[in-house]
Amino acid sequence: DIQMTQSPSTLSASVGDRVTITCRASQSISSWLAWYQQKPGKAPKLLIYKASSLESGVPSRFSGSGSGTEFTLTISSLQPDDFATYYCQQYNSYSLTFGGGTKVEIK
Amino acid sequence: QLQLQESGSGLVKPSQTLSLTCAVSGGSISSGGYSWSWIRQPPGKGLEWIGYIYHSGSTYYNPSLKSRVTISVDRSKNQFSLKLSSVTAADTAVYYCARGVRQFYAFDIWGQGTMVTVSS
Repeated sequence: DIQMTQSPSTLSASVGDRVTITCRASQSISSWLAWYQQKPGKAPKLLIYKASSLESGVPSRFSGSGSGTEFTLTISSLQPDDFATYYCQQYNSYSLTFGGGTKVEIK
Repeated sequence: QLQLQESGSGLVKPSQTLSLTCAVSGGSISSGGYSWSWIRQPPGKGLEWIGYIYHSGSTYYNPSLKSRVTISVDRSKNQFSLKLSSVTAADTAVYYCARGVRQFYAFDIWGQGTMVTVSS
């Protein structure tokens, strides 16, 4: 199984900050990586797919990069609505796994 | 706008079988290019993929759950279902159904989730 390691697990930031979350895969997954945002009591929401493609309707302050085993999600200017938990998810050979999550808190 | 809605028992006794259904509305489960998944989230923890099915009936399961999981599709009712056998307290979680886009293997539409508690 491919393991996904996210860091940090918690991040404290202020409105307007540039925020970067990292996801590392235990083996290469090419660009088969997605990022989700989840708020308490809600289902996750797709932000980025195929490592760097922005899902329709998602603000352009969100961006993704990386390939192989290392990936990043960047929020260019953190907004009040962005305080949430973020998960990465990989696909490889008919199997999927999620990272452990990164909670973005108000500083 | 396609929507997913989970339903099923919210309380299951240990050793019994958990059964959930995901009703698809606003679109056909037989549309090509998509998979139909179950994902769960224990209270206060992260997401765990359980498995998915294509409209053809082909299934793929999380290896750690494979021996206990069955996912099936009912095209006539436009729904798919999850059965998880021999449950324990560790299976207590919010269970989500989701649509996966086959082209890039990500979940673009999710149900609201349903809480299942395993307890005697």
